[in-house]
Amino acid sequence: KAGVTQTPRYLIKTRGQQVTLSCSPISGHRSVSWYQQTPGQGLQFLFEYFSETQRNKGNFPGRFSGRQFSNSRSEMNVSTLELGDSALYLCASSLAGTYNEQFFGPGTRLTVL
Amino acid sequence: AQRVTQPEKLLSVFKGAPVELKCNYSYSGSPELFWYVQYSRQRLQLLLRHISRESIKGFTADLNKGETSFHLKKPFAQEEDSAMYYCALSDNYGQNFVFGPGTRLSVLP
Repeated sequence: KAGVTQTPRYLIKTRGQQVTLSCSPISGHRSVSWYQQTPGQGLQFLFEYFSETQRNKGNFPGRFSGRQFSNSRSEMNVSTLELGDSALYLCASSLAGTYNEQFFGPGTRLTVL
Repeated sequence: AQRVTQPEKLLSVFKGAPVELKCNYSYSGSPELFWYVQYSRQRLQLLLRHISRESIKGFTADLNKGETSFHLKKPFAQEEDSAMYYCALSDNYGQNFVFGPGTRLSVLP
């Protein structure tokens, strides 16, 4: 089985811009979760999508949003970028939810200048 | 709110020595607990989960509800065990998921 893929792998943006990150889950997985990883805050849960519906959301501002398509692929969008949004963004897929084993992608490294 | 703590940022042991990575949690219900590991230049991956009650790569973890702990143990550490280890918690419905801050294990030759 092909693993979880994320595109792009690296991204440089400036403050105020917006960005869209993409995640393709393992075939057959219906749940996709997104995480932000920073040296200071560690791994923080952003949100989870299941069957095109956001099922759970972490404690992030509304500038962070996402969606899931009928093929389970997911996108994450961050609007009005701030310097503090610089991070590694990981997505993970699982069969049915975060209580199952999650398979992680390689991440997208976002740098906000 | 649920929370996971890992008191050690860095743990160094010698090869062949026992290792224990500590994890404590706070959650009012019955949690699903996991250990995820990230080896150098590899993706984050599941090491083990408490409901499977299995030993993976010689590691075991026992859920202690009284002490709200889920410590990871291995009797004889190997150099290839050097990695970042994250304890994580999910509720029964997968509606809340939280990682601990992680412990970097360094196994010295």
